[in-house]
Amino acid sequence: GESVGLHLPTLSVQEGDNSIINCAYSNSASDYFIWYKQESGKGPQFIIDIRSNMDKRQGQRVTVLLNKTVKHLSLQIAATQPGDSAVYFCAENTGTASKLTFGTGTRLQVTL
Amino acid sequence: EAGVAQSPRYKIIEKRQSVAFWCNPISGHATLYWYQQILGQGPKLLIQFQNNGVVDDSQLPKDRFSAERLKGVDSTLKIQPAKLEDSAVYLCASSLRPDRASNQPQHFGDGTRLSIL
Repeated sequence: GESVGLHLPTLSVQEGDNSIINCAYSNSASDYFIWYKQESGKGPQFIIDIRSNMDKRQGQRVTVLLNKTVKHLSLQIAATQPGDSAVYFCAENTGTASKLTFGTGTRLQVTL
Repeated sequence: EAGVAQSPRYKIIEKRQSVAFWCNPISGHATLYWYQQILGQGPKLLIQFQNNGVVDDSQLPKDRFSAERLKGVDSTLKIQPAKLEDSAVYLCASSLRPDRASNQPQHFGDGTRLSIL
């Protein structure tokens, strides 16, 4: 079946550097994508979203890029901080029932 | 704004026993979701409600799982009887829009961690 996946299961970044977390999706009909951050023992926390009619969206220290040609989504975190350490999931909206399909996640480790 | 509330936070039961989880969504959110998250994986949708009606329960193992949202606010998810493979975190989420989530993201509670012995 169609699914959302991530290229790197673990990413180590030095504090202060920029982080880039990648995600590939396979459903060309998906028109809405969300990045979530999940800390240990917590539920997924909304970070940023993007619709398919956009190719870039910026938030506070985060940017999401969408490349529909190659079905690729990325999350960029500027000046990565220790508090950014978590598992990051991308999710895509599929179908007409607001159903989100999640990937398996990328663990971001911030080293001092 | 208060977030999605879930209880209990942890539950340990033996296989073949029953268990129930409770969720109170964000006030005003018409759509409520239950997800199962197995360790090391992303959340998987079990059931979606819009107000008190079921929108999607295609992934719910109906022989043992049931869920209700009788008054269109709180919801309960039940497992009876539990199996070892049901060990997971059960997450509840809610969203504002009653239809496509295109403009409104889902907001999650912190989940109930279920361990089956």
